[in-house]
Amino acid sequence: AQSVTQLGSHVSVSEGALVLLRCNYSSSVPPYLFWYVQYPNQGLQLLLKYTTGATLVKGINGFEAEFKKSETSFHLTKPSAHMSDAAEYFCAVKAYGGGSNYKLTFGKGTLLTVNP
Amino acid sequence: NAGVTQTPKFRVLKTGQSMTLLCAQDMNHEYMYWYRQDPGMGLRLIHYSVGEGTTAKGEVPDGYNVSRLKKQNFLLGLESAAPSQTSVYFCASSGQETQYFGPGTRLLVL
Repeated sequence: AQSVTQLGSHVSVSEGALVLLRCNYSSSVPPYLFWYVQYPNQGLQLLLKYTTGATLVKGINGFEAEFKKSETSFHLTKPSAHMSDAAEYFCAVKAYGGGSNYKLTFGKGTLLTVNP
Repeated sequence: NAGVTQTPKFRVLKTGQSMTLLCAQDMNHEYMYWYRQDPGMGLRLIHYSVGEGTTAKGEVPDGYNVSRLKKQNFLLGLESAAPSQTSVYFCASSGQETQYFGPGTRLLVL
């Protein structure tokens, strides 16, 4: 079984500041890891994903995340926040292989506020 | 290429009424999913399907039924709506890796 913990339900940063959203996971098998972004009144949009290979993954809108197996983490970062980054962010894990390898387990989400 | 679409976008029901939410995808995906999203709860899986004609229960299936008669469509039914089913419902579809989400249906049960 998999689980995801997102530390901080609400993160507030100033425009131009570093964005760091934390995600820790547990999985009994090698995981696939995802970050999704949800803008107000919209569906979830894939930001980036880690499957295999390079552990530093780059996504859309200048975001990146690093898979650290030893820390069971997949934190999301962006060097300089923009007002348009204000949204809710969800981390998710999926088992690689096995009978349930198509199901995602989501964290509870982190709401990012960007202050001018 | 519309991706994943959901019908309707918004609905108000009275307790005890029934309704069906429709999800359609044009990506030829085998897997389809229904989630509900509630404040502070993230997304919780209601039911899913691994192919045409198959369905399975997710994390919170009670009070819902589903059908997948065609590969591209996945229907979510509420036979007797309850106020606890007030939520935003998202459909998603996937191949082996990434799930793609629809825009959501807001349901209010009075």
